Amino acid sequence: SAVISQKPSRDICQRGTSLTIQCQVDSQVTMMFWYRQQPGQSLTLIATANQGSEATYESGFVIDKFPISRPNLTFSTLTVSNMSPEDSSIYLCSVVTADGYTFGSGTRLTVV
Amino acid sequence: AQSVTQLDSQVPVFEEAPVELRCNYSSSVSVYLFWYVQYPNQGLQLLLKYLSGSTLVKGINGFEAEFNKSQTSFHLRKPSVHISDTAEYFCAVTRGSGGYQKVTFGTGTKLQVIP
Repeated sequence: SAVISQKPSRDICQRGTSLTIQCQVDSQVTMMFWYRQQPGQSLTLIATANQGSEATYESGFVIDKFPISRPNLTFSTLTVSNMSPEDSSIYLCSVVTADGYTFGSGTRLTVV
Repeated sequence: AQSVTQLDSQVPVFEEAPVELRCNYSSSVSVYLFWYVQYPNQGLQLLLKYLSGSTLVKGINGFEAEFNKSQTSFHLRKPSVHISDTAEYFCAVTRGSGGYQKVTFGTGTKLQVIP
């Protein structure tokens, strides 16, 4: 199955700033997903990113707050913009391969 | 749309005892089902998946799950747990046709293995 490298693994950020999370896959994949896991909760899909098209956002998530780039079939970034303490979460990327869904190790974000 | 319910938020069990973590799903179409494990401060690791075929699915670390279409369930079982199985377990579902779709996760079950 695919191997995903997600960076950074954790960060502490000041409110009002932005953080860009990177997701690098060791093989070409069509679909990539970005999830958020708030403290003590399950995973919620933020958006689906296909190469060559605009990301598709789920209800409650907007591009201005979570801009996504997908420049090629092995890489994607998620930016958390104008952060507030409510954005403190784990953010995970996921890809689809022939074996199913593989997840990155996550980025643990704390906003202070 | 698909949904999944994990009935137990926490399950304490003594070491070497059997365990069952319950998962029920709702869907009007065929589904793919997954169990993931999340160890403290780590990402998600796939335990097992049901795509088609045999309803009894065996995964890693001695876990297995049975797909029951009539009861819309996909319960996870292990005959004898170890301390290292202490983690949070997530059941997940996606539509089973038209290519891979977005995955919907349950709220998770925290398995606590007691020495």
